[in-house]
Amino acid sequence: GAVVSQHPSRVICKSGTSVKIECRSLDFQATTMFWYRQFPKQSLMLMATSNEGSKATYEQGVEKDKFLINHASLTLSTLTVTSAHPEDSSFYICSANMGRGSNQPQHFGDGTRLSIL
Amino acid sequence: DAKTTQPPSMDCAEGRAANLPCNHSTISGNEYVYWYRQIHSQGPQYIIHGLKNNETNEMASLIITEDRKSSTLILPHATLRDTAVYYCIVQGPGGGADGLTFGKGTHLIIQP
Repeated sequence: GAVVSQHPSRVICKSGTSVKIECRSLDFQATTMFWYRQFPKQSLMLMATSNEGSKATYEQGVEKDKFLINHASLTLSTLTVTSAHPEDSSFYICSANMGRGSNQPQHFGDGTRLSIL
Repeated sequence: DAKTTQPPSMDCAEGRAANLPCNHSTISGNEYVYWYRQIHSQGPQYIIHGLKNNETNEMASLIITEDRKSSTLILPHATLRDTAVYYCIVQGPGGGADGLTFGKGTHLIIQP
């Protein structure tokens, strides 16, 4: 069964709206979660690393003021796309793993398809 | 993290074994080889991983060459539901603390 739950699965909203996406680890604690973005016909690209109790780490080129990440508990990370515009339309996916060792796979949510009109 | 190279696409007949190659010639001694797949409009799904020995689970087998510079993912009896993009990824030294770098993967199409 799923070990990472992502909500909502799909969002359609008007330009200028802020959108919050939740990522939950089920039955395990995740001190670190990851957020990815995937544009049509492209591969996943890592946006940021969400750290419980501390600031997120953003990849180069990702605006931290645009994509707000909060990891307030060991089972929940949220990504807020602020003042979203059509170019922010994408498939957003989160992941977490159950341990920090190099032999631990990542478990992914089912993604959130964001469409900005 | 070591770079990986995969063919962009492959076809396989339903019921046959699908063999997906991956080249990772710059892999370091402590890096694992991971395979994930992404079915259309879903999040990636973990398949299998290994360090240097061959591995098998209920989904697939992973064959890693002795020099660890390449590997092959084997789906023993492919079904239509195995149609997906398959990603071969080398896990960096930070292990679970690092996000993954996805290449373009191999689009496997299972033909009826």
